[in-house]
Amino acid sequence: GQNIDQPTEMTATEGAIVQINCTYQTSGFNGLFWYQQHAGEAPTFLSYNVLDGLEEKGRFSSFLSRSKGYSYLLLKELQMKDSASYLCAVMDSNYQLIWGAGTKLIIKP
Amino acid sequence: GAVVSQHPSWVICKSGTSVKIECRSLDFQATTMFWYRQFPKQSLMLMATSNEGSKATYEQGVEKDKFLINHASLTLSTLTVTSAHPEDSSFYICSATNPGLAFTYEQYFGPGTRLTVT
Repeated sequence: GQNIDQPTEMTATEGAIVQINCTYQTSGFNGLFWYQQHAGEAPTFLSYNVLDGLEEKGRFSSFLSRSKGYSYLLLKELQMKDSASYLCAVMDSNYQLIWGAGTKLIIKP
Repeated sequence: GAVVSQHPSWVICKSGTSVKIECRSLDFQATTMFWYRQFPKQSLMLMATSNEGSKATYEQGVEKDKFLINHASLTLSTLTVTSAHPEDSSFYICSATNPGLAFTYEQYFGPGTRLTVT
């Protein structure tokens, strides 16, 4: 079956760095997405990786290793507004998005 | 841009009635739209994929006759929850892909509709 694993919840301190991991097993691979979702709102796109390596976009970076079925989202200089759920999703061979359960990130002052 | 709107943003209905949710792509033509359901503290669950002018493709376990999807134009898809029951109470989110962009597989999400069935 298809499976996406990410931690349920993480806590970090304002100004610090946090890494949210995602491991996946899917039928085929056409890229991995990270979305941010604030409570009661729809997800917003953060990043897309289809090749191995690190993609940096401001305070957020996303890494992918296809051979290991592994990705992480790195958030630097954490701000209180970064408190949200972070969803990892993999596009399978049928171009369907398979979603992880999300990681709730709590930022403390 | 790629803006998707949903209407209504929240709705309360009585058990046994039907509710229609609209999803519109405001500044692009969406040949494919997706309908998701999300229960509290859970991830998105794809209900169906809707292609303009054809029947929706439903995911396993989703009742076609209960969740009616219509994608009659390139900018509008509707989801009708028929004979709603309290267990249908959930956050319904639509998304669309924009074939006009270079990367066509990114999904743009609407703001969601919170349905409460009493």
